[in-house]
Amino acid sequence: NAGVTQTPKFQVLKTGQSMTLQCAQDMNHNSMYWYRQDPGMGLRLIYYSASEGTTDKGEVPNGYNVSRLNKREFSLRLESAAPSQTSVYFCASSEVGGLKLFFGSGTQLSVL
Amino acid sequence: SQQGEEDPQALSIQEGENATMNCSYKTSINNLQWYRQNSGRGLVHLILIRSNEREKHSGRLRVTLDTSKKSSSLLITASRAADTASYFCATDAGGNNRLAFGKGNQVVVIP
Repeated sequence: NAGVTQTPKFQVLKTGQSMTLQCAQDMNHNSMYWYRQDPGMGLRLIYYSASEGTTDKGEVPNGYNVSRLNKREFSLRLESAAPSQTSVYFCASSEVGGLKLFFGSGTQLSVL
Repeated sequence: SQQGEEDPQALSIQEGENATMNCSYKTSINNLQWYRQNSGRGLVHLILIRSNEREKHSGRLRVTLDTSKKSSSLLITASRAADTASYFCATDAGGNNRLAFGKGNQVVVIP
């Protein structure tokens, strides 16, 4: 049982490049989330998906897009990366929205 | 605005001692959760306490909730080196089933 799997684990981008962070969960959870974690800022919600077919903005959605491909997969896309998007990104899932989240191991992204 | 704010100081204790950390929040909540994050890893859910509960235990963890003061505390008893981590509280004050996390409280347990 892998839980929540994120890829890649590390990525370096140049300003203006695009990339997609992949996330998959094998727990048949309905809700999925993307957070970013910055030093001294805690975790901030970027986007979430309460169920397959729905997505909603979180606290810091600007510069990001998401796709809930199916019940298992929830991807995060940076269309034109900026240095301010340098962060550690976490995907999470939960059976019930907002309760007992399971987190992936994170993607460390640097934008130069 | 971000709900759930732990006391910001880092905590350094000897193995076997108890560790206490606090969390305050601003608006009404239905539940409050505590998570642990080991260095370089994702967060792990520890315990959930609902707004109609005052205290909850799970192994060496004890959580209290005071809704009148909008605060919660997490107590780790008989700490171990493996308890070295950052601890986050999270509330559902973000609405729409979204969790709002605090900034975290770093605990170092010295063997």
